[in-house]
Amino acid sequence: DGGITQSPKYLFRKEGQNVTLSCEQNLNHDAMYWYRQDPGQGLRLIYYSQIVNDFQKGDIAEGYSVSREKKESFPLTVTSAQKNPTAFYLCATGRGPGQGRGYTFGSGTRLTVV
Amino acid sequence: AQKVTQAQTEISVVEKEDVTLDCVYETRDTTYYLFWYKQPPSGELVFLIRRNSFDEQNEISGRYSWNFQKSTSSFNFTITASQVVDSAVYFCALREGGSGNTGKLIFGQGTTLQVKP
Repeated sequence: DGGITQSPKYLFRKEGQNVTLSCEQNLNHDAMYWYRQDPGQGLRLIYYSQIVNDFQKGDIAEGYSVSREKKESFPLTVTSAQKNPTAFYLCATGRGPGQGRGYTFGSGTRLTVV
Repeated sequence: AQKVTQAQTEISVVEKEDVTLDCVYETRDTTYYLFWYKQPPSGELVFLIRRNSFDEQNEISGRYSWNFQKSTSSFNFTITASQVVDSAVYFCALREGGSGNTGKLIFGQGTTLQVKP
């Protein structure tokens, strides 16, 4: 079955460490997105990529980095520069701009700083 | 700039009551898409409906119905005869369409619905 795989489901990070969240898709979708969810704030866009080897900052990109070397993969690195990284992170895919399509979401990674 | 507002942070109802979740949006685009998603405790977002800006027909799917009104920039969601399984966080979202759009979904803050037995 086609879908999105996010791993790990739970992740604990020590202060000052970088961590990478994985997002893999087999939907053959062009676009991929990373959202952060905090209680009472909805989902906020971190980064997105509409094509391989290209990506753009979203609304809250500071302290995060991404890469898009393959169509299927869009890993998110939470760097030590992100001061408050504890949150729920959701990866999504879409068919790309101009097509008015919705998204398919992964099951999320819950990151906690310890 | 585009914006989605879900003014109701939390709603609590008793099973079998009807409940309406409000969504108000802002956009300068004439072509756009509106969505509703359900987020159960597991965390994954479940797609419920997509509506484009040129289709103002209301939609009904089982116990769910949606009322899209461009005149008031609203896209409200009603659950009829609510059930405990409807308890979740519900998100309204906006995506601008047409040429040059970035494909981003803009989410409201979400409404937590609790249905008590």
